[in-house]
Amino acid sequence: DQQVKQNSPSLSVQEGRISILNCDYTNSMFDYFLWYKKYPAEGPTFLISISSIKDKNEDGRFTVFLNKSAKHLSLHIVPSQPGDSAVYFCAARLISGSKSTFGDGTTLTVKP
Amino acid sequence: NAGVTQTPKFRILKIGQSMTLQCTQDMNHNYMYWYRQDPGMGLKLIYYSVGAGITDKGEVPNGYNVSRSTTEDFPLRLELAAPSQTSVYFCASSPTVAETQYFGPGTRLLVL
Repeated sequence: DQQVKQNSPSLSVQEGRISILNCDYTNSMFDYFLWYKKYPAEGPTFLISISSIKDKNEDGRFTVFLNKSAKHLSLHIVPSQPGDSAVYFCAARLISGSKSTFGDGTTLTVKP
Repeated sequence: NAGVTQTPKFRILKIGQSMTLQCTQDMNHNYMYWYRQDPGMGLKLIYYSVGAGITDKGEVPNGYNVSRSTTEDFPLRLELAAPSQTSVYFCASSPTVAETQYFGPGTRLLVL
């Protein structure tokens, strides 16, 4: 039973447009959510996070939205740039917990 | 700071062989983690440690062992390599349970 799901394995967008990456979770105990970005042959790097007391968190071009009732979060990248092309992982955990559960990732390609 | 370093970068093992994947961090982080990533999948937690001398199992611990004798080092041991252990292994660390994880570049392991 996969507790964190990223249903779109890949996404392709044009440079300058918005990229929207989606993530669903099943465990209602999760109260902290993170997005990581991964380039080929490198480890994941932290991008942005959100706790369950918020429904939105922004950091520059990146915004994460959380809909607790739907158990859904999304990452918006505006405007998208070719350097954003990478695999994006959604992760969820208890805010007091040390173990994160990861989704399978979405490969974003931003075309110039 | 080097951050999180992992060695080797790539290794081919024969079935039944053993090896140790090395992980070192120079950030004085208490928490350290080992993940594996299979092709097209997310990261699965193998083992984690909350400090020197303390380790615990993650989602997929079978076939692996860990030790944490120092804050800096968290080696992962494979005793009897099996083809199912072919994967990319990532080590990560974080200063506290609430903070995000910093990942190493990964070790690619092929078991034939």
